[in-house]
Amino acid sequence: EPEVTQTPSHQVTQMGQEVILRCVPISNHLYFYWYRQILGQKVEFLVSFYNNEISEKSEIFDDQFSVERPDGSNFTLKIRSTKLEDSAMYFCAREDKGAEGYTFGSGTRLTVV
Amino acid sequence: QQQVKQSPQSLIVQKGGISIINCAYENTAFDYFPWYQQFPGKGPALLIAIRPDVSEKKEGRFTISFNKSAKQFSLHIMDSQPGDSATYFCGPDMRFGAGTRLTVKP
Repeated sequence: EPEVTQTPSHQVTQMGQEVILRCVPISNHLYFYWYRQILGQKVEFLVSFYNNEISEKSEIFDDQFSVERPDGSNFTLKIRSTKLEDSAMYFCAREDKGAEGYTFGSGTRLTVV
Repeated sequence: QQQVKQSPQSLIVQKGGISIINCAYENTAFDYFPWYQQFPGKGPALLIAIRPDVSEKKEGRFTISFNKSAKQFSLHIMDSQPGDSATYFCGPDMRFGAGTRLTVKP
C-alpha cells in the first residue's frame, strides 16, 4: 500500500486567514481521518470521513473546520479563520482493510502568526 | 467521549532492559487495540495491534498483553534499544492516549 502523502509539509499563515491542508493521493479507500497534534502533546482526533460524508467529529472540530473530497482522490481539511491556537501538526490517516490500526501521513506543520 | 488513559507519561530504561507501557480504556466495543510509535517530526506509525479475542501477541521484541476483564492492554519492549527511544501511543478506535516518552539509555 502506498504511503499517505500530505501537502504542504509546512505552512505559515496570518491569523484570520483560511488554510487548506491536503492529503493526496488516496484512492480506493473509504475511511479517512484528520488528527492534530499540538507540539509535545497528544494526538487529538478531529473528524472521520466515510464515503464522502462526515461520520464522526470531536468537539475540536467546530464550525471553523470543514472536510471535503473534492475530486475523488484528494482529501482536504479547511480552517476558515485561523487562530493562534490552531498552530499544530495536522495528520490525515486512513484505515486499511484488514489492518488493525491506521496509516498516518507525514503531516503538515501549520504555524499561525 | 471514550476515555483512554495511558501510563507512565515518561519512561527511562537502560539498553537491554524491558519497557512496559500501559493503557486503560472504558469502551468495551473496540475492534482492536493498537500501539503507535512516533519519532520527532514524524507521524505516528502503527507498531503492533491486538484483537480482543486474543490475550497476547508478539512481534519480534514487541509484545501486547490484553486483559479484557481489567480493560487494560500493555506494550512490552524486550531488549530495549536506543533506537526505540520515541513516544508511544495507544489508540483504540480513533482515540489516543496521552503518550509515553520512552528514553533508552545506552
